[in-house]
Amino acid sequence: QSVLTQPPSASGTPGQRVTISCSGRSSNIGSNYVYWYQHLPGTAPKLLIYRNNQRPSGVPDRFSGSKSGTSASLAISGLRSEDEADYYCAAWDDSLSGWVFGGGTKLTVL
Amino acid sequence: EVQLVESGGGLVKPGGSLRLSCAASGFTFNNAWMTWVRQAPGKGLEWVGRIKSRPDGGTADYAAPVKGRFTISRDDSKYTLSLEMNNLKTEDTAVYYCTTLIWGAGMEAADYWGQGTLVTVSS
Repeated sequence: QSVLTQPPSASGTPGQRVTISCSGRSSNIGSNYVYWYQHLPGTAPKLLIYRNNQRPSGVPDRFSGSKSGTSASLAISGLRSEDEADYYCAAWDDSLSGWVFGGGTKLTVL
Repeated sequence: EVQLVESGGGLVKPGGSLRLSCAASGFTFNNAWMTWVRQAPGKGLEWVGRIKSRPDGGTADYAAPVKGRFTISRDDSKYTLSLEMNNLKTEDTAVYYCTTLIWGAGMEAADYWGQGTLVTVSS
């Protein structure tokens, strides 16, 4: 059972917009930044969003992040086949004194 | 070019020990906070622990499942991060990644990951 809760799966067709939610508590999302990672099988994870809504250089602006209270969301617009991957949210947890990840959401592009 | 290269993975029996290394290059290792993340087969990402840079105290924090069994250390002179794993359990079987987040002058972030090294704990 992960500390941060994500839906196990999401799907969309090319060009669509999809959102992935991440629910936490006051000790993690409620009081710290949220980070989002994309993970393709057999490769290293890749940071998509940091500090709730900032994109690292090279990440397309099709990816956006938001946070409200103890929840966060990752939105992907203009869905493309190469976006098919696992997506994870993460945040520091003050109570656990450690980073916590969501269980991951497998995104399928239909 | 930033590079992180893990080594030391392999097959070990329950109760055994293993030491993973992560060789870093292409950035100022001394100032970087370094992290270990793992992924068990068919499971999601799990934070293992991190070590702060020496200027920031050099202390390490650990996830509850590994606390007391794993030790993270760093050798800034050799640009090397280590993960000493003792009393290994079958549930420690995973691909282990070393990773770091580097902050630019304008507070822009860039993450770097190694290729991962597989640790299998089995009798």
